[in-house]
Amino acid sequence: AQSVAQPEDQVNVAEGNPLTVKCTYSVSGNPYLFWYVQYPNRGLQFLLKYITGDNLVKGSYGFEAEFNKSQTSFHLKKPSALVSDSALYFCAVISGYSTLTFGKGTMLLVSP
Amino acid sequence: GAGVSQTPSNKVTEKGKYVELRCDPISGHTALYWYRQSLGQGPEFLIYFQGTGAADDSGLPNDRFFAVRPEGSVSTLKIQRTERGDSAVYLCASSPGRGDDGYTFGSGTRLTVV
Repeated sequence: AQSVAQPEDQVNVAEGNPLTVKCTYSVSGNPYLFWYVQYPNRGLQFLLKYITGDNLVKGSYGFEAEFNKSQTSFHLKKPSALVSDSALYFCAVISGYSTLTFGKGTMLLVSP
Repeated sequence: GAGVSQTPSNKVTEKGKYVELRCDPISGHTALYWYRQSLGQGPEFLIYFQGTGAADDSGLPNDRFFAVRPEGSVSTLKIQRTERGDSAVYLCASSPGRGDDGYTFGSGTRLTVV
């Protein structure tokens, strides 16, 4: 069975500072990894994905994520946070013929 | 359509009633997924369609839940004898193939059972 862990319920960061939202995964085969963002009363919006190739993946709104196979991690990062980045972030994994499995989510709060 | 459309956006029903939730996927997407998101949790898989057939329904919690996709496009999630514990946001997503490139989600239907 595949699983995703997001160890932090909430991450607080000041505007302009770098942010990191952590994610680790467990799969039996090669993972395809994703980050989604959810704003209040909205659906999930795709941010970025890792399928294969370069371990550093760049996505929407200046976000990036680094795939680390040895640590089974896929942490989300941004060099300079904006107040408008405040939202709920989900890490997800798919492997083989499975469907997407999500973590429980991390609330990001960026203060002015 | 341009995106995944879900109707209604909100549904309030009484305990014991029957409800239907509709999902209209992106045109041409062969795969369709239903997820349920409870407060403070990540989305949990319910059922996956490839074309008209349910390829994986292992996430349906019990036999009160059923979903169809008769023409390989629009899907309906049906819940019989609703319970208060069914209250959640029901999310639908679609993808052009097996989903390795990720899914496109709709805005969800917020179901409240009173």
